[in-house]
Formats: sequence, C-alpha cells, structure tokens
Amino acid sequence: SQTIHQWPATLVQPVGSPLSLECTVEGTSNPNLYWYRQAAGRGLQLLFYSVGIGQISSEVPQNLSASRPQDRQFILSSKKLLLSDSGFYLCAWSGGGKSDTEAFFGQGTRLTVV
Amino acid sequence: RKEVEQDPGPFNVPEGATVAFNCTYSNSASQSFFWYRQDCRKEPKLLMSVYSSGNEDGRFTAQLNRASQYISLLIRDSKLSDSATYLCVVNRGTGGFKTIFGAGTRLFVKA
Repeated sequence: SQTIHQWPATLVQPVGSPLSLECTVEGTSNPNLYWYRQAAGRGLQLLFYSVGIGQISSEVPQNLSASRPQDRQFILSSKKLLLSDSGFYLCAWSGGGKSDTEAFFGQGTRLTVV
Repeated sequence: RKEVEQDPGPFNVPEGATVAFNCTYSNSASQSFFWYRQDCRKEPKLLMSVYSSGNEDGRFTAQLNRASQYISLLIRDSKLSDSATYLCVVNRGTGGFKTIFGAGTRLFVKA
C-alpha cells in the first residue's frame, strides 16, 4: 500500500534561518507531488507541484523553493525564513499522469518562525 | 478570482439538521472533483469523490453541475462528529495534473 511520510511534525525556527522539509512517498511510482501551506484559520494554498523528477511548478511568488531529486522525494526549502512563512505545511501525492485519483496527505509540519 | 471558491461559514446547525455546501470552480477544463474533510490541526482526508451522475454515501450526497461549474455537498441528519472543515477540491489536467483546494467551509454541529 502507498504511504507518505513528512517530517518534522513541528518546527520552531528563527527569522533568517534556513528551512528544509522533506516528504517521501512509498508504494507508488511517478506520483504527482504537492506542497501546500495553510495559515492559521485559512484554507490550503498550493505552493508547488511536480509531475516528475526535476520538474517543479510554482503557484505563487514567495520566499520558498522546492526540489524533487528523486521520483518519490519532494523537498521544500528556504534560504532565509520570514515571519510570514509560519504555517501548517502539507505534502501530498496523487496518481501520476492524468489519473483523477484523490490526493493523499502527509501529517503536516507546523512551522513557527520566531 | 480564486479558481475554487467556497463560503467559509461557519455553519452552526443543531444535531439532526440537514446542511448543504456549495463550491464553484472557474476552470472549465477541470476533470475531477472531490470533497475532503479536515479536522482541527489535522491533514485533510478524502470524504467522497463527486461524479457527474452524483453520488451518495450514507448521510452524504455530492452533486456536480458542469454547466454551471459548481459542486455541492449535502449532509443529512447531522452528527456532532460531523463538525469539521469541508474542502472542495478540483483536479485539472492542463500541462500536468494539479489539485486545487477551496479554502473550506467550517461546520459546527451542536447538541
């Protein structure tokens, strides 16, 4: 069966520090991968999505970047965090290609920038 | 205009009530549709898919109107445990499959 792992679960980082959140998927190949952010009391905002290794699309201009070095690995990074980067970050995967499968989420990382 | 729009609520209803949520989407190329449920401080989880013919799962009924580009979710006989945020989700397949979430509708069911 497919599983998605996201870590860490909770993170407190000072302003200006770097960030690296990692997400891995098991049990499937060539998934579509997503990073979402949810600010407190707000909806999910799509940050990045990827349809294959090295293929990253960004939805909104921001202080973050994403990379997909392997088929089932998706990394969210920042060189210098801002206070506004605080939020609940969720990694998700869905079936590759034009499949209309549902999206499955990791348990999320709650990031607080102080 | 947001690609997927929902009334944020909150909807406050008594137990046993029937409540309906609507969601509109702007991209006519959208291919598949879902309703997700998100509990407080948790990740979203699939509630049900939405098919052109409509579908029902127990107390939950989902409908899709492609002509008007909206999706609905009906909850009958509301339970306390139905309290959550309900997210409308749209997949579109232009240049790569992309899943877009609405901001969610909050539901509070009270005794």
